[in-house]
Amino acid sequence: EVHLVESGGGLVRPGWSLRLSCVASGFSFSDHYMDWVRQAPGKGLEWVGRIRKKFNLYSTEYAASVKGRFTISRDDSKNSLFLQMNSLKTEDTAVYYCTRVSGDSHFDNWGQGTLVAVSS
Amino acid sequence: DIQMTQSPSSLSASVGDRVTITCRASQDISSRLAWFQQKPGKAPESLIYAASTLQSGVPSKFSGSGSGTDFTLTINSLQPEDLATYYCQQYKSYPITFGQGTRLEIK
Repeated sequence: EVHLVESGGGLVRPGWSLRLSCVASGFSFSDHYMDWVRQAPGKGLEWVGRIRKKFNLYSTEYAASVKGRFTISRDDSKNSLFLQMNSLKTEDTAVYYCTRVSGDSHFDNWGQGTLVAVSS
Repeated sequence: DIQMTQSPSSLSASVGDRVTITCRASQDISSRLAWFQQKPGKAPESLIYAASTLQSGVPSKFSGSGSGTDFTLTINSLQPEDLATYYCQQYKSYPITFGQGTRLEIK
């Protein structure tokens, strides 16, 4: 069974940094692209970014709202996905989900999410 | 960016009803359309991808159709556990974008 478990969320001040992790199990992590999606309190879903697999040179894509501030990385040896968030803003407050990407690049599994709150 | 517009934004239906949610893309996305269900306080779950293919384990009461710019999600025989917000998503091009969601209430 596929499991995705995020961690690393918390309360931080504007301008601070935070690193989220997502540990995967139940599948061959290295064979899949992985994405981050976020959801601000009471709002809809917003795609954050993607990291491809080794064959694709671990290339990445980002939403315009986070490009230049957030960095997605992965460690296939530890079945882990990361989201390094720098220069955090209050509007980055959200639950962050990691998702597995399959087939024609659709999402098929989601983690339970981790809450990031940015407030002064 | 491709804009995804869902309608209605909310709806209320009775147990046993069939409901339909529509999603319109601002440009042709072929069949690169997915649907997600998010129950209150929970993470989203994947229902349908490629416009009409059910994710493994999703009951056949859910179905999707459409291609190009117009898509629908149909839920048959509505049950109390179907109370949720439903989102469409295009994954044809970056940035990946979601509809604003449709909140489904059970009368």
